[in-house]
Amino acid sequence: QLQLQQSGPGLVRPSETLSLTCSVSGDSISSSDYYWGWIRQPPGKGLEWIGSIYYSGATYYNPSLRSRVTISVDTSKKQFSLRLSSVTAADTAVYYCTREVAATWSAPEIDYWGQGTLVTVSS
Amino acid sequence: SSELTQDPAVSVALGQTVNITCQGDSLRRYYASWYQQKPGQAPELVIYRKNNRPSGIPDRFSASSSGNTASLTITGAQAEDEADYYCNSRDSGGNHLVFGGGTKLTVL
Repeated sequence: QLQLQQSGPGLVRPSETLSLTCSVSGDSISSSDYYWGWIRQPPGKGLEWIGSIYYSGATYYNPSLRSRVTISVDTSKKQFSLRLSSVTAADTAVYYCTREVAATWSAPEIDYWGQGTLVTVSS
Repeated sequence: SSELTQDPAVSVALGQTVNITCQGDSLRRYYASWYQQKPGQAPELVIYRKNNRPSGIPDRFSASSSGNTASLTITGAQAEDEADYYCNSRDSGGNHLVFGGGTKLTVL
């Protein structure tokens, strides 16, 4: 059974960089069958896709966040990470790490979600 | 703004059938998946790859698609189905994921 365990600070100051890590257990992060991604949800609002990374390092980012987002993968540690720079209060949200099935490009399928981390941007 | 449009709220009487719709041009080319989210929990996949249910999802959940509209149907809604439902697909360019704004389902 796959598990995604998120870690990282719950409070980030404005203009600083938000950093979260997702540890993968129960399956290989190097599998060509999956993308690893991040999705966020502001309090009381809907879901917003941030971006995804393939085990090869290929990345896909939400155009609205592209200039501030970096997603990376460390296969030796079985982890992938999110960095979001120059944060403002608008970046306050619950952040989820996810696994997306790669074989179904025409039919996206996010089959596993992390537990979620509430990140508050405040001084 | 989202490229996928959902009604913000829908209600259904206990045991009745309800359709939750998702509209967007990209749905002419890509399938939608559907997620259920209960308060304080992470979303859960309930329908994928046109009309498939993950293990453990009741068969009262089904999906269909026509033109630019995808639909999630709950046949015989139960109290435990009260939740927010999100559709998900690719944007028109195909490289990015998009979500609908979500539909809050109330079971009366």
